[in-house]
Amino acid sequence: QVQLVESGGGVVQPGRSLRVSCAASGFTFSSYGMHWVRQAPGKGLEWVAVIWFDGSNRYYTDSVKGRFTISRDNSENTLYLQLNSLRAEDTAVYYCARGQNKYGSYYFDYWGQGTLVTVSS
Amino acid sequence: DIVMTQTPLSLSVTPGQPASISCKSSQSLLLHSDGRTYLNWYVQRSGQPPQLLIYEGFNRFSGVPDNFSVSGSGTDFTLKISRVEAEDVGIYYCMQTLQIPYTFGQGTKVEIK
Repeated sequence: QVQLVESGGGVVQPGRSLRVSCAASGFTFSSYGMHWVRQAPGKGLEWVAVIWFDGSNRYYTDSVKGRFTISRDNSENTLYLQLNSLRAEDTAVYYCARGQNKYGSYYFDYWGQGTLVTVSS
Repeated sequence: DIVMTQTPLSLSVTPGQPASISCKSSQSLLLHSDGRTYLNWYVQRSGQPPQLLIYEGFNRFSGVPDNFSVSGSGTDFTLKISRVEAEDVGIYYCMQTLQIPYTFGQGTKVEIK
């Protein structure tokens, strides 16, 4: 069965960096576009970024452009999100989610359990 | 960006009674070139990640019971639960995937009376 398991969250000071990961199993990872979605405590869902099946294209929401980088290692079936220049408003649970096709289009059919990133001094 | 607006933001329903959630988008989510409606619905139960309920406008995802349905078109959609049960408690989100950045509605919290 499809499984997505995030890791790497934690407490980090403002301005510092963190990398979160998403280990995928139960499907052909290299055939799907993948997403990161975040949820601040007690708030709604916010789409963050998408990466195509082969890593050739990546797109971001404006608030993270230039600070966050989505990447993937298809040989390791792992999705990454590098978070740089972190701000208090980046505090959230970060979910990885699978897109419906190789560009990540249409809908997100499976989600991980999420990893909490807390930005605080 | 496409703005998604849900109403109401909360709903308290007697078990066995119906419930409806409205989702309006700032532009049409129907792409004529492929005939798809780029609207999806998710439910997030307490402490859990979101789960896909309805995809491409009107299609129930695998395992979703048939008491969930969607009506509407273009910019106005309504998620209907024909008979609310205890396990339907959660926050329901609509989401558009027509245009990046993908955007969600604010969420509608469904509770049992």
